[in-house]
Amino acid sequence: AQKVTQAQTEISVVEKEDVTLDCVYETRDTTYYLFWYKQPPSGELVFLIRRNSFDEQNEISGRYSWNFQKSTSSFNFTITASQVVDSAVYFCALSEPYGNNRLAFGKGNQVVVIP
Amino acid sequence: NAGVTQTPKFRVLKTGQSMTLLCAQDMNHEYMYWYRQDPGMGLRLIHYSVGEGTTAKGEVPDGYNVSRLKKQNFLLGLESAAPSQTSVYFCASSYVGTSGETQYFGPGTRLLVL
Repeated sequence: AQKVTQAQTEISVVEKEDVTLDCVYETRDTTYYLFWYKQPPSGELVFLIRRNSFDEQNEISGRYSWNFQKSTSSFNFTITASQVVDSAVYFCALSEPYGNNRLAFGKGNQVVVIP
Repeated sequence: NAGVTQTPKFRVLKTGQSMTLLCAQDMNHEYMYWYRQDPGMGLRLIHYSVGEGTTAKGEVPDGYNVSRLKKQNFLLGLESAAPSQTSVYFCASSYVGTSGETQYFGPGTRLLVL
């Protein structure tokens, strides 16, 4: 069974500080996909990134960056120079494409950016 | 192109009442999903569909039924609502490709069962 762990439940940072969200996953498959979604206070789920298990390159998109390490089964997310608009719940999720393709979500990280 | 839409946005039910949540997508996606989100639990899969006319159980299917009569619509039914079904319900859809898939979510339906 697939499993995703996001240990930190709520993280508070002062604006302009960096914040890193940890995601650790478990899977028996060699092919799988990892995702991050953002859920702002308005409630919708916004797709941020998808990464397949064969691509371990780190990725940067503006102030967002992701560090994928298969050796430690981790897919961590960093927000650089945080802004108030980054206040949201962030979910890490795992999908195994050859099963029912369901997403297994972690419990989420509540990020509060204090102005 | 509206993406994934959900109807209604909010509903209050009394225990034992029934209702149907509607999900519609205009992206010609094959796969559709229903999740529920509860505080501190993340999202959990209720039912899903891999194509028109097919449905399958997810992680927490008890108390729910689904139907996929048209490719663009996925209905979630509660035959006899219980307070434990108070939750936020999200529908998602995805296109099945050879390189994995990204699920795109609707705005959610907030359901309160009294």
